[in-house]
Amino acid sequence: QQQVKQSPQSLIVQKGGISIINCAYENTAFDYFPWYQQFPGKGPALLIAIRPDVSEKKEGRFTISFNKSAKQFSLHIMDSQPGDSATYFCAASLYSGGGADGLTFGKGTHLIIQP
Amino acid sequence: NAGVTQTPKFRVLKTGQSMTLLCAQDMNHEYMYWYRQDPGMGLRLIHYSVGEGTTAKGEVPDGYNVSRLKKQNFLLGLESAAPSQTSVYFCASSYRSGLVNNEQYFGPGTRLTVT
Repeated sequence: QQQVKQSPQSLIVQKGGISIINCAYENTAFDYFPWYQQFPGKGPALLIAIRPDVSEKKEGRFTISFNKSAKQFSLHIMDSQPGDSATYFCAASLYSGGGADGLTFGKGTHLIIQP
Repeated sequence: NAGVTQTPKFRVLKTGQSMTLLCAQDMNHEYMYWYRQDPGMGLRLIHYSVGEGTTAKGEVPDGYNVSRLKKQNFLLGLESAAPSQTSVYFCASSYRSGLVNNEQYFGPGTRLTVT
């Protein structure tokens, strides 16, 4: 059972455009939603994260939009640059749980920004 | 700080052989995790540890064992490797859950091929 569904699998955007990646989750107990960025041959690195008490979080060119009622969240990359070309993973966890809160990941989106 | 390091970076095993992957972190993190990453599957949690001497199963624990004898180290063992265990393995660590910053820091990965 896939608890976090991510789309699209791959995305090509022109330099300067807006990249949008979508995720949907099933477990209503999730309350921490990070996005990770991974370059080839490297481990994932946290890009931006949100908790469901806010509907939007912005850090530089990166914005998370969160819709709790629809159980969906998305990553927007404004003014996309070739250096943003990477694989992006959405994830979810029980932020405030008493356990280790391992992350449940989406399957990833391979983003290519064309110069 | 080196962050999270993994040893080895690459390994080729024959079916039935055993090996241990070593993860070390120098950030004094309480929690440590082992994930596997397969094409089109995202990252899936194998085992995790909430502290020295404690371990627990994640989403895909079969065929793996772990140990956390020291706070800074988390070992992943394959007792009898199978081709289905061909994957890239990532270790991660984080502070205790429930804190404001629950970021998981990932190592660079170990690419394992079982023939």
